[in-house]
Amino acid sequence: DIQMTQSPSSLSASVGDRVTITCRASQSISSYLNWYQQKPGKAPKLLIYAASRLQSGVPSRFSGSGSGTDFTLTISSLQPEDFATYYCQQSYSTLITFGQGTRLEIK
Amino acid sequence: EVQLVESGGGLVQPGGSLRLSCAASGFTFSSYSINWVRQAPGKGLEWVSYIGSSGSSIYYADSVKGRFTISRDNAKNSLYLQMNSLRAEDTAVYYCARRIPSPDYYMDVWGKGTTVTVSS
Repeated sequence: DIQMTQSPSSLSASVGDRVTITCRASQSISSYLNWYQQKPGKAPKLLIYAASRLQSGVPSRFSGSGSGTDFTLTISSLQPEDFATYYCQQSYSTLITFGQGTRLEIK
Repeated sequence: EVQLVESGGGLVQPGGSLRLSCAASGFTFSSYSINWVRQAPGKGLEWVSYIGSSGSSIYYADSVKGRFTISRDNAKNSLYLQMNSLRAEDTAVYYCARRIPSPDYYMDVWGKGTTVTVSS
Protein backbone atom coordinates (compact mmCIF):
# COMPACT_ATOMS: atom_id res chain seq x y z
CA ASP A 1 0.00 0.00 0.00
CA ILE A 2 1.04 3.59 -0.62
CA GLN A 3 1.58 5.45 2.65
CA MET A 4 0.69 9.13 2.85
CA THR A 5 2.29 11.30 5.51
CA GLN A 6 1.03 14.80 6.27
CA SER A 7 2.73 17.50 8.25
CA PRO A 8 2.10 19.12 10.53
CA SER A 9 -0.55 17.11 12.36
CA SER A 10 -1.95 20.31 13.81
CA LEU A 11 -1.44 23.97 13.16
CA SER A 12 -2.52 27.17 14.88
CA ALA A 13 -2.93 30.24 12.73
CA SER A 14 -4.75 33.55 12.58
CA VAL A 15 -7.26 34.97 10.14
CA GLY A 16 -5.32 36.44 7.23
CA ASP A 17 -2.32 34.15 7.63
CA ARG A 18 -0.78 32.18 4.79
CA VAL A 19 -0.70 28.48 5.64
CA THR A 20 1.00 25.53 3.98
CA ILE A 21 0.34 21.85 4.64
CA THR A 22 2.60 19.18 3.18
CA CYS A 23 1.91 15.62 2.12
CA ARG A 24 4.48 13.01 1.21
CA ALA A 25 3.83 9.70 -0.56
CA SER A 26 5.86 6.56 0.10
CA GLN A 27 6.36 6.14 -3.66
CA SER A 28 5.86 8.27 -6.72
CA ILE A 29 2.18 8.92 -7.43
CA SER A 30 2.66 11.33 -10.33
CA SER A 31 -0.06 13.97 -9.83
CA TYR A 32 -2.70 11.61 -8.44
CA LEU A 33 -3.10 13.62 -5.25
CA ASN A 34 -6.29 15.14 -3.89
CA TRP A 35 -7.02 17.40 -0.93
CA TYR A 36 -10.18 17.39 1.18
CA GLN A 37 -11.49 19.66 3.91
CA GLN A 38 -13.58 18.25 6.73
CA LYS A 39 -15.47 20.15 9.40
CA PRO A 40 -16.75 18.48 12.59
CA GLY A 41 -19.76 16.25 11.98
CA LYS A 42 -19.61 16.78 8.22
CA ALA A 43 -18.49 14.74 5.25
CA PRO A 44 -15.18 15.55 3.57
CA LYS A 45 -15.32 18.16 0.82
CA LEU A 46 -13.07 18.05 -2.23
CA LEU A 47 -10.83 21.11 -2.58
CA ILE A 48 -8.05 20.21 -4.99
CA TYR A 49 -7.68 17.30 -7.40
CA ALA A 50 -4.82 16.13 -9.59
CA ALA A 51 -2.42 17.94 -7.24
CA SER A 52 -3.18 21.45 -8.44
CA ARG A 53 -6.65 21.69 -9.99
CA LEU A 54 -9.19 23.67 -8.02
CA GLN A 55 -12.58 22.00 -7.65
CA SER A 56 -15.46 24.06 -8.95
CA GLY A 57 -16.82 26.41 -6.32
CA VAL A 58 -13.74 26.32 -4.10
CA PRO A 59 -12.29 29.76 -3.32
CA SER A 60 -9.11 30.71 -5.18
CA ARG A 61 -7.23 31.25 -1.91
CA PHE A 62 -6.76 27.47 -1.92
CA SER A 63 -4.01 26.12 -4.14
CA GLY A 64 -2.08 22.90 -4.53
CA SER A 65 1.27 21.98 -5.98
CA GLY A 66 3.69 19.11 -6.34
CA SER A 67 4.22 15.87 -8.19
CA GLY A 68 5.95 12.58 -7.60
CA THR A 69 6.16 12.18 -3.83
CA ASP A 70 5.93 15.71 -2.38
CA PHE A 71 2.84 17.90 -2.38
CA THR A 72 1.58 21.04 -0.70
CA LEU A 73 -1.76 22.66 0.02
CA THR A 74 -1.60 26.42 0.53
CA ILE A 75 -4.27 28.74 1.85
CA SER A 76 -3.18 32.24 0.90
CA SER A 77 -5.21 34.22 3.42
CA LEU A 78 -7.06 32.26 6.09
CA GLN A 79 -10.73 32.98 6.55
CA PRO A 80 -12.79 32.02 9.61
CA GLU A 81 -14.55 29.25 7.67
CA ASP A 82 -11.21 27.60 6.79
CA PHE A 83 -10.58 26.28 10.29
CA ALA A 84 -11.07 22.56 9.78
CA THR A 85 -9.15 19.34 9.23
CA TYR A 86 -7.44 18.76 5.89
CA TYR A 87 -6.61 15.39 4.35
CA CYS A 88 -4.51 14.45 1.37
CA GLN A 89 -5.42 11.29 -0.56
CA GLN A 90 -3.64 9.40 -3.31
CA SER A 91 -5.62 8.07 -6.26
CA TYR A 92 -2.64 6.53 -8.06
CA SER A 93 -3.76 3.14 -6.79
CA THR A 94 -7.35 1.88 -6.75
CA LEU A 95 -6.58 1.02 -3.13
CA ILE A 96 -6.67 4.64 -2.08
CA THR A 97 -5.01 5.94 1.06
CA PHE A 98 -5.32 9.12 3.07
CA GLY A 99 -2.89 11.15 5.06
CA GLN A 100 -3.52 11.24 8.81
CA GLY A 101 -4.98 14.74 8.61
CA THR A 102 -3.91 18.25 9.59
CA ARG A 103 -6.09 20.04 12.11
CA LEU A 104 -6.06 23.79 11.49
CA GLU A 105 -7.01 25.74 14.59
CA ILE A 106 -7.54 29.38 15.39
CA LYS A 107 -4.64 31.02 17.22
CA GLU B 1 -29.10 17.62 -7.41
CA VAL B 2 -26.29 15.09 -7.37
CA GLN B 3 -26.62 13.20 -4.11
CA LEU B 4 -25.59 10.12 -2.17
CA VAL B 5 -27.53 9.10 0.92
CA GLU B 6 -26.33 6.37 3.26
CA SER B 7 -28.56 4.37 5.56
CA GLY B 8 -28.57 1.19 7.61
CA GLY B 9 -26.23 2.13 10.43
CA GLY B 10 -26.97 1.36 14.03
CA LEU B 11 -25.87 -0.41 17.19
CA VAL B 12 -24.81 -4.03 16.80
CA GLN B 13 -23.09 -6.51 19.11
CA PRO B 14 -19.61 -7.81 18.39
CA GLY B 15 -19.83 -10.68 15.94
CA GLY B 16 -23.05 -9.36 14.50
CA SER B 17 -23.96 -8.20 11.01
CA LEU B 18 -25.24 -5.04 9.40
CA ARG B 19 -26.04 -4.01 5.83
CA LEU B 20 -25.40 -0.45 4.77
CA SER B 21 -27.04 1.11 1.74
CA CYS B 22 -26.11 4.13 -0.37
CA ALA B 23 -28.81 5.62 -2.59
CA ALA B 24 -27.69 7.71 -5.54
CA SER B 25 -29.66 10.40 -7.35
CA GLY B 26 -29.09 13.21 -9.82
CA PHE B 27 -26.52 11.41 -11.97
CA THR B 28 -26.04 8.27 -14.06
CA PHE B 29 -25.11 5.91 -11.26
CA SER B 30 -24.07 3.09 -13.58
CA SER B 31 -21.28 5.23 -15.03
CA TYR B 32 -19.39 5.70 -11.78
CA SER B 33 -17.34 3.61 -9.45
CA ILE B 34 -17.91 4.12 -5.72
CA ASN B 35 -15.80 3.92 -2.60
CA TRP B 36 -16.81 3.26 0.98
CA VAL B 37 -14.71 5.30 3.42
CA ARG B 38 -15.04 5.21 7.19
CA GLN B 39 -13.99 7.40 10.08
CA ALA B 40 -13.68 6.07 13.62
CA PRO B 41 -14.53 8.50 16.43
CA GLY B 42 -11.83 11.16 16.65
CA LYS B 43 -9.74 9.50 13.95
CA GLY B 44 -8.87 10.08 10.31
CA LEU B 45 -10.36 8.79 7.10
CA GLU B 46 -9.88 5.11 6.20
CA TRP B 47 -10.72 3.58 2.85
CA VAL B 48 -12.86 0.44 3.19
CA SER B 49 -13.89 -0.84 -0.22
CA TYR B 50 -14.21 -0.03 -3.93
CA ILE B 51 -16.59 -1.22 -6.60
CA GLY B 52 -16.36 -0.46 -10.29
CA SER B 53 -19.20 0.94 -12.32
CA SER B 54 -20.42 -2.45 -13.53
CA GLY B 55 -19.69 -4.24 -10.27
CA SER B 56 -17.09 -6.52 -11.80
CA SER B 57 -14.09 -4.84 -10.15
CA ILE B 58 -14.01 -5.01 -6.37
CA TYR B 59 -11.34 -4.30 -3.77
CA TYR B 60 -11.20 -4.31 0.03
CA ALA B 61 -8.93 -2.94 2.71
CA ASP B 62 -7.06 -5.67 4.56
CA SER B 63 -8.86 -4.68 7.76
CA VAL B 64 -12.24 -5.80 6.37
CA LYS B 65 -11.32 -8.44 3.79
CA GLY B 66 -13.27 -11.64 4.28
CA ARG B 67 -15.84 -9.93 6.53
CA PHE B 68 -17.34 -7.18 4.36
CA THR B 69 -18.93 -7.54 0.93
CA ILE B 70 -19.60 -4.63 -1.41
CA SER B 71 -22.23 -4.82 -4.12
CA ARG B 72 -24.39 -2.59 -6.27
CA ASP B 73 -27.69 -2.64 -8.13
CA ASN B 74 -27.47 -0.20 -11.01
CA ALA B 75 -31.15 -0.67 -11.82
CA LYS B 76 -31.97 0.64 -8.34
CA ASN B 77 -29.19 3.27 -8.24
CA SER B 78 -27.98 1.69 -5.04
CA LEU B 79 -24.77 0.52 -3.41
CA TYR B 80 -24.49 -1.86 -0.48
CA LEU B 81 -21.98 -2.91 2.13
CA GLN B 82 -22.70 -6.18 3.92
CA MET B 83 -20.72 -6.22 7.15
CA ASN B 84 -20.32 -9.52 9.01
CA SER B 85 -18.31 -10.58 12.06
CA LEU B 86 -18.29 -7.01 13.26
CA ARG B 87 -15.67 -5.89 15.75
CA ALA B 88 -15.41 -2.94 18.10
CA GLU B 89 -12.81 -1.42 15.78
CA ASP B 90 -15.40 -1.26 12.99
CA THR B 91 -17.22 1.44 14.95
CA ALA B 92 -17.21 4.47 12.66
CA VAL B 93 -19.14 6.79 10.43
CA TYR B 94 -19.34 5.14 7.01
CA TYR B 95 -19.41 7.32 3.90
CA CYS B 96 -20.04 6.38 0.29
CA ALA B 97 -18.24 8.57 -2.24
CA ARG B 98 -18.45 8.82 -6.01
CA ARG B 99 -15.17 8.37 -7.86
CA ILE B 100 -14.63 10.37 -11.00
CA PRO B 101 -13.46 8.19 -13.92
CA SER B 102 -10.14 8.44 -15.70
CA PRO B 103 -7.91 10.26 -15.71
CA ASP B 104 -7.99 11.84 -12.27
CA TYR B 105 -9.95 9.43 -10.06
CA TYR B 106 -10.87 11.84 -7.28
CA MET B 107 -14.00 11.60 -5.12
CA ASP B 108 -16.21 14.56 -5.79
CA VAL B 109 -19.52 13.64 -4.15
CA TRP B 110 -19.86 12.24 -0.65
CA GLY B 111 -22.87 11.21 1.37
CA LYS B 112 -23.44 12.57 4.86
CA GLY B 113 -22.55 9.22 6.39
CA THR B 114 -24.21 6.58 8.54
CA THR B 115 -22.98 5.64 12.00
CA VAL B 116 -22.11 2.08 12.95
CA THR B 117 -21.51 1.28 16.60
CA VAL B 118 -20.25 -2.17 17.57
CA SER B 119 -20.67 -2.68 21.28
CA SER B 120 -22.14 -5.13 23.76
